[in-house]
Amino acid sequence: DAMVIQNPRYQVTQFGKPVTLSCSQTLNHNVMYWYQQKSSQAPKLLFHYYDKDFNNEADTPDNFQSRRPNTSFCFLDIRSPGLGDAAMYLCATSRDQVNQPQHFGDGTRLSIL
Amino acid sequence: AQSVTQPDIHITVSEGASLELRCNYSYGATPYLFWYVQSPGQGLQLLLKYFSGDTLVQGIKGFEAEFKRSQSSFNLRKPSVHWSDAAEYFCAVGSSGGYNKLIFGAGTRLAVHP
Repeated sequence: DAMVIQNPRYQVTQFGKPVTLSCSQTLNHNVMYWYQQKSSQAPKLLFHYYDKDFNNEADTPDNFQSRRPNTSFCFLDIRSPGLGDAAMYLCATSRDQVNQPQHFGDGTRLSIL
Repeated sequence: AQSVTQPDIHITVSEGASLELRCNYSYGATPYLFWYVQSPGQGLQLLLKYFSGDTLVQGIKGFEAEFKRSQSSFNLRKPSVHWSDAAEYFCAVGSSGGYNKLIFGAGTRLAVHP
């Protein structure tokens, strides 16, 4: 089945130690998104890619970066994780037509020691 | 600015009872509306979507939603709830601000009593 896969499902890192989260998709969608979701809150969009065109949300901290080496893969890099960055990180994809639904992966739960 | 309001933070129903989750939106034009469900520790799964046409939309898992322009609402319904429906439910509107950007409501957590 075509899907969005996030690895790892659980990630533990130390305060200030860089960490990379991975997302891959077999849907061949042009658009990929990264969300941060804290407990009992709605997902918050960090940034999205339309093909290789990177679009950062205005309030996304500089500590968060992303890479999309090809259509199938997208990475979220947190350069110096703080305790406030502990959250679920969700990857999603969509077709590039306006207002197509987004398809989500199962997320990576990030803990900071 | 576009926004979505889910007035109920928590709802508890008995298994077999009917369910209605409320969603109100603010949007200047014809909205594109979605309902997603999130089980604990999982990603979001699309239940149904409204783009245009018939205002009563059927989705997966026996859910339906009705778009009412006059009330700016897109309420989610199910005639008989199962214990496995316990989850967080998010209503979202497609934003004009970027490619398929979604504006989410705060979510409604559904608990189901046996």
